Amino acid sequence: QQQVKQSPQSLIVQKGGISIINCAYENTAFDYFPWYQQFPGKGPALLIAIRPDVSEKKEGRFTISFNKSAKQFSLHIMDSQPGDSATYFCAASPDYGGSQGNLIFGKGTKLSVKP
Amino acid sequence: DAGVIQSPRHEVTEMGQEVTLRCKPISGHDYLFWYRQTMMRGLELLIYFNNNVPIDDSGMPEDRFSAKMPNASFSTLKIQPSEPRDSAVYFCASSFWGGTEAFFGQGTRLTVV
Repeated sequence: QQQVKQSPQSLIVQKGGISIINCAYENTAFDYFPWYQQFPGKGPALLIAIRPDVSEKKEGRFTISFNKSAKQFSLHIMDSQPGDSATYFCAASPDYGGSQGNLIFGKGTKLSVKP
Repeated sequence: DAGVIQSPRHEVTEMGQEVTLRCKPISGHDYLFWYRQTMMRGLELLIYFNNNVPIDDSGMPEDRFSAKMPNASFSTLKIQPSEPRDSAVYFCASSFWGGTEAFFGQGTRLTVV
């Protein structure tokens, strides 16, 4: 019940294309759903996050779609660029109010954007 | 602020030796988290502190692992004795109540030979 399942494991997209990464969770107590981006040799950095009271959040080229009934959420990267090549992790937390770092992570998706 | 600072960045040690990883959280943050990242298991939360007090250590794999936070600006993760299967990248992260995200350090890559 504590797992967050992420797919695909790897993704290759052409420059300008749309990258889509999906995640599913079991625990209905989760209250905060962030996406982290990690470059080689660096720590994860928050990209965008959503709470279950909204179905979509958009920040620039990045959009989270959230389906509470299906317990699924996804990251869409529009107009993908080579600089977006990184590993993306979805995560979930039961504690939005304070400990946003108390996270259950998906296994990650390695995105490669070809020029 | 310089962000979350971890030291050392790389550590190579022999099996059976004691290893101490260090973390300085962002000033003013009252939550501190230790994570471990491996290819097989991904990113796993080991332990987290609130106001220097350990809140949840259920992710600590064995008694060989211990963590302390003697003050608001410093935490250690100790492995004694170390084993080759402890080889991983260890991340420290911090956040504050009412904030919007947890900030991760650059990590410590530990290799136990």
